[in-house]
Order: sequence, then C-alpha cells, then structure tokens
Amino acid sequence: EAGVTQSPTHLIKTRGQQATLRCSPISGHTSVYWYQQALGLGLQFLLWYDEGEERNRGNFPPRFSGRQFPNYSSELNVNALELEDSALYLCASSLLGGGGKTYEQYFGPGTRLTVT
Amino acid sequence: RKEVEQDPGPFNVPEGATVAFNCTYSNSASQSFFWYRQDCRKEPKLLMSVYSSGNEDGRFTAQLNRASQYISLLIRDSKLSDSATYLCVVNPGYGGSQGNLIFGKGTKLSVKP
Repeated sequence: EAGVTQSPTHLIKTRGQQATLRCSPISGHTSVYWYQQALGLGLQFLLWYDEGEERNRGNFPPRFSGRQFPNYSSELNVNALELEDSALYLCASSLLGGGGKTYEQYFGPGTRLTVT
Repeated sequence: RKEVEQDPGPFNVPEGATVAFNCTYSNSASQSFFWYRQDCRKEPKLLMSVYSSGNEDGRFTAQLNRASQYISLLIRDSKLSDSATYLCVVNPGYGGSQGNLIFGKGTKLSVKP
C-alpha cells in the first residue's frame, strides 16, 4: 500500500513569492494534516482538513492556507514568503472515526522549502 | 509549563543497553498518546500508540500515567538501528483542538557498538 506522498521534494523561492505544496494521503484516509518543522524546532501544527473542510488551524498567520480536493489530496499555499518560512513541511493523513475519535497519523517525506 | 516536555538528551548508550525516555504533558484532558521516531532529515514514523495504561511491542514498552500526566518509553536490548530522535506526541482530543497532534521536541538516542 502506498504511503503519504508529497511534492515537490525541495522548493526554493525568494522572499515575497508564493509557494504551493502538495500532498496525497494514504488510500482510504480522509483527514490530511500539515505541520511545519523549522530547523532546531519541533513540529508545529498548521492545518487539518477532512472531507474537504478546514477543521482546525494552528497559530499561523492567514498567509498560510490550503484546501482539500474531492479525492482527499491537499494543497498548502504560503503567500508573501518570509525568510523564517524556510522549513520542512510535513503532511500526514489518518482515518477519522466516529464521535471525533482520531486515529494514528502517518507522515509523508516532506517538502523542504527554502526562502532566500 | 510546555504542552509536551521531553528530556532532549542526547542519550549515548552501548548496544544491548536498556534506555528509558520520559515525557510529561500539560493538558489533563488529552485523549491519546504516541511515540514516533524521526531519523535525521526524515519524516516521523509511528512507533507506538498508547491508548490505555500501556503498550508493549517487542523490545519497546510504553507506559501512561494519567494521574501524573506522564508517558514513558522503554527500549530493551538497544540496537545500532535504534539511533534516532524519539518524539513524544499527544492528541489533545475533543473540542477545538481535536485532530492536531502536539509534539515534544524529541529525545536523541545514539547507540554505540
């Protein structure tokens, strides 16, 4: 069974530009999560999508946005890039159980974004 | 108090040693707990889920103490391949924080021959 896939592997942008990162979840998973891991820091939650809806977002400015498509794949957009946006962006997917129970999250290999 | 706290290490141990990692969490309403391992510049990989008081999988044992808001991971008979950073992860559970995982900064383990 294929795992979570992400593209591109690496992305280099200049300050002020926009970046688009893509994620395909494990087949059968409806929830997609985005996390940021800056150098030397822990993973920080960005966004959670399920069934095409944004369910929760972390403490990040509105220039971080995304969407989930009908096939459950997802896109993360970062507008007006700043130098401190340089990080590894990880996508994870999971099932979503009834009553709000969530299951284990499985991560993709990440997109390494460098802003110069 | 940080949401999830771990000893950053590094833990340097010889092959065959037993090593234990500790983790505390601040939200007493947290519903589920996980240990992930992360190799250098790679994605986190799920090691164990801890839904009740504990879980064992081969050389790995995780324990949960809800009263003390404390989770531990024990690795017995350490292998060179166990060298990685171990992440303590908490799912806060229901309500507005449902869904997202909260990660500790990780404990680095280095197993030496």
